[in-house]
Amino acid sequence: GQNIDQPTEMTATEGAIVQINCTYQTSGFNGLFWYQQHAGEAPTFLSYNVLDGLEEKGRFSSFLSRSKGYSYLLLKELQMKDSASYLCAVTDSNYQLIWGAGTKLIIKP
Amino acid sequence: IAGITQAPTSQILAAGRRMTLRCTQDMRHNAMYWYRQDLGLGLRLIHYSNTAGTTGKGEVPDGYSVSRANTDDFPLTLASAVPSQTSVYFCASSGGGAGTGELFFGEGSRLTVL
Repeated sequence: GQNIDQPTEMTATEGAIVQINCTYQTSGFNGLFWYQQHAGEAPTFLSYNVLDGLEEKGRFSSFLSRSKGYSYLLLKELQMKDSASYLCAVTDSNYQLIWGAGTKLIIKP
Repeated sequence: IAGITQAPTSQILAAGRRMTLRCTQDMRHNAMYWYRQDLGLGLRLIHYSNTAGTTGKGEVPDGYSVSRANTDDFPLTLASAVPSQTSVYFCASSGGGAGTGELFFGEGSRLTVL
């Protein structure tokens, strides 16, 4: 079967750095997405990785290792507005998106 | 209108009733999708449409139907609602296929079936 694993919940402190991990087992791989979803709102696109390595976009970075079936989202200089759920999704060999259940990130002052 | 609009935003429905969730986009995207989101589960694809006039079944299509008469509109119909269809429903669109490009989501429709 196809599976995306993320921690259910994480807590971090304002101003700190947090790393949210995502591991996947899918039938093929054609890219990995990260989305942010604030409570009661729609998911919004954060990043897309298709090649190994780190993609940096402001305070957010996303890393991919295809050989390990592993990605992480790194959030720096955390702000209270970063409190949200972070969704990992993988495109399989049929170009279907497989979604993880999401990681709820709680930021404390 | 900017992006994707869903209606209604919230609805309480008696079991057995018919319900249509509306979705309209103004980005001229070819591909559109309906997902449901339940606590503790990832987004699950109900139905999709790669272009106007075509539709396909996703992961959880039973009890739902869609149509795609034009590029902008992609309504989702529950023919006879059941309590297990209580969920938050998101409509989304993309310029390419879902697995290759960014998805743009509507604000969601929260449906409660009693």
